[in-house]
Amino acid sequence: DGGITQSPKYLFRKEGQNVTLSCEQNLNHDAMYWYRQDPGQGLRLIYYSQIVNDFQKGDIAEGYSVSREKKESFPLTVTSAQKNPTAFYLCASTPVEGLYGYTFGSGTRLTVV
Amino acid sequence: AQTVTQSQPEMSVQEAETVTLSCTYDTSESDYYLFWYKQPPSRQMILVIRQEAYKQQNATENRFSVNFQKAAKSFSLKISDSQLGDAAMYFCAYRRDPSYGGATNKLIFGTGTLLAVQP
Repeated sequence: DGGITQSPKYLFRKEGQNVTLSCEQNLNHDAMYWYRQDPGQGLRLIYYSQIVNDFQKGDIAEGYSVSREKKESFPLTVTSAQKNPTAFYLCASTPVEGLYGYTFGSGTRLTVV
Repeated sequence: AQTVTQSQPEMSVQEAETVTLSCTYDTSESDYYLFWYKQPPSRQMILVIRQEAYKQQNATENRFSVNFQKAAKSFSLKISDSQLGDAAMYFCAYRRDPSYGGATNKLIFGTGTLLAVQP
C-alpha cells in the first residue's frame, strides 16, 4: 500500500545535538512538507519542496534544515540552533497539481532531554 | 497572506447528537480549496471533507457536511449522529488554487478545535 513513513516515532535529543527525522513516501508525489505541531498553535510549516533538489523555507524555518535528493525522501534535521525543538513533527505529501489535501505521515515526537 | 481562524478551542457533544465546528478564513483570492482534517489521539491526520470555492453546493461525506458561505468567508463543519470515534482534534485548512502559480500547494491551518463526545 502506498503511504508516507515517518521514523522514528519517538526521538530524544540532548542539548546541542543535531537530529534527523526521516520521511519517505511511495506515492509518487512531487511535493513534500514538514509541519511542526505545538499545543494551541495548530500546524506550522517548516519547509516544503515541490521538486527534487529544490526546497523553500516555510514560516518557522530557523533552526531546521532539509534536503530533497530523491523524490521519495525529505529528511528534516533539527539543529542545535533550534532553541525549543520539543514538538510533534508531521511530514506530508501531495501531487503538485493535485486538488486534494495532503497525505500525512504518522508523525515523530521529539523531546529534548 | 491568508489566515484561518477556529474560534472554538474545545467543544463537547452528546453521542448521537449534532455538533457544528466553526472556521473562518481571510483571503483576497476568489479560487481556493478548503479542508477539514481530523486528528484522533493516534495523531494521524485524516482528511474529513473538502470544498472547492467555485462550487456553491456544500460538500457532504456521510455524517459530515459543511456550510460554506463564500461571501462571509465561513466554512463550518457539521457532524451528525455523533459517535465516540468522532472524538478528536479537528483542523480547518485553506489552500490556494493552482491557477495563481507559485507555491500553491501549501496548506494553511487553523489552531484546531478539540471535540469531546459524551456517551
